[in-house]
Amino acid sequence: QSVLTQPPSVSGAPGQRVTISCTGSSSNIGADYDIHWYQQLPGTAPKLLIYGNYNRPSGVPDRFSGSKSGTSASLAIAGLQAEDEADYYCQSYDSSLSGVVFGGGTRLTVL
Amino acid sequence: QLQLQESGPGLVKPSETLSLTCTVSGGSISSNDCYWGWIRQPPGKGLEWIASIYYSGSTYYNPSLNSRVTMSVDTSKKQFSLKLSSVTAADTAVYYCAREVVAAISSNWFDPWGQGTLVTVSA
Repeated sequence: QSVLTQPPSVSGAPGQRVTISCTGSSSNIGADYDIHWYQQLPGTAPKLLIYGNYNRPSGVPDRFSGSKSGTSASLAIAGLQAEDEADYYCQSYDSSLSGVVFGGGTRLTVL
Repeated sequence: QLQLQESGPGLVKPSETLSLTCTVSGGSISSNDCYWGWIRQPPGKGLEWIASIYYSGSTYYNPSLNSRVTMSVDTSKKQFSLKLSSVTAADTAVYYCAREVVAAISSNWFDPWGQGTLVTVSA
């Protein structure tokens, strides 16, 4: 059971918009620790997608956006493309555990 | 461009110690604004942070693995290492090393990552 809870899977058709939630608690997201998102394409290492809740590293399309409110955060992907099919993970810090925590991951399927 | 590369045995026997090294290239391992971390991913499962180390040697470990984990750093070789003792089949995973960027006390993320190395625990 992950400290950060994500839906196991989401899906959408090309061109659509999907969101992936990441729910935490008062010792991580609710304690004002930032959320970061990673994309893991099949057979590859995770890649940083969003840092500091809503910032995109250079090279990440603006179709990807992040938000945070209360004890939850969300990753939105607009204009879905086949190449977006991957696993997505949220990550933060937990003060109770005194360490880094990841969500369980969400598999995005582009229909 | 900063790059990280994991190395170490791909097969470890149960009860023995898993040892991995990460070599940093294209940048300094002695940066003030980052740690260096290990993350693992069992086959078909999610990511689990293991531990992180600062270039000075300061460490912090996942509490669930704390009693079995040791990290070290060799700045002259631009390498940091992981030792995980008393391994079982549950420790079979792809092990990634990554730079942990620390932007603030409340904000740390991993970028870039190494390509990962599969370590299988089996007799």
